[in-house]
Amino acid sequence: DSGVTQTPKHLITATGQRVTLRCSPRSGDLSVYWYQQSLDQGLQFLIQYYNGEERAKGNILERFSAQQFPDLHSELNLSSLELGDSALYFCASSVGIGGTQPQHFGDGTRLSIL
Amino acid sequence: AQTVTQSQPEMSVQEAETVTLSCTYDTSESNYYLFWYKQPPSRQMILVIRQEAYKQQNATENRFSVNFQKAAKSFSLKISDSQLGDTAMYFCAFMKHGFQGAQKLVFGQGTRLTINP
Repeated sequence: DSGVTQTPKHLITATGQRVTLRCSPRSGDLSVYWYQQSLDQGLQFLIQYYNGEERAKGNILERFSAQQFPDLHSELNLSSLELGDSALYFCASSVGIGGTQPQHFGDGTRLSIL
Repeated sequence: AQTVTQSQPEMSVQEAETVTLSCTYDTSESNYYLFWYKQPPSRQMILVIRQEAYKQQNATENRFSVNFQKAAKSFSLKISDSQLGDTAMYFCAFMKHGFQGAQKLVFGQGTRLTINP
């Protein structure tokens, strides 16, 4: 158990819909990262938050947004869903920034778009 | 931009054998971290081992060890006395050190390792 909690584990929805994925980091971790794992793109970094503030963006679509709340949990919002958004979405957390501590991953949310 | 390449899409060995997974990377950074993550069929991403680029000594975690060749930009994973539970997808990953920009992991495409009884 990594200590990172992601909900829900599975999500099935239709094109055009909006979903919210939730992540609770390990106790004491201030940084939260979101990654997308798909068959064609592999594992790709989406966005990073540190202590409530957005720190960096990766290959995140404009239809996607995220935030980190004062209690440090994070949510990833995906809207106007397309078939190609079907993927495994991981949240990871680390103590701080700089890379001195590794990122620990949650179990992921499997998103299926019908 | 950094890139990570895993040239072996699949590997298969017998239980108790030793297996080495290859990884090369490309970067202009001088200080960075390298990782191997394991993803079993349960889909979890599990950290196997971590190497700091400024350390010359190769990292070791029980049956797992790495061969880090900084000049060659090579970072291979050796699994000794392989077990059925080692069956998984293995990802090599790179992360630059520092406090500017994203501390993101850049992953290779993965190697699917099967341990046969």
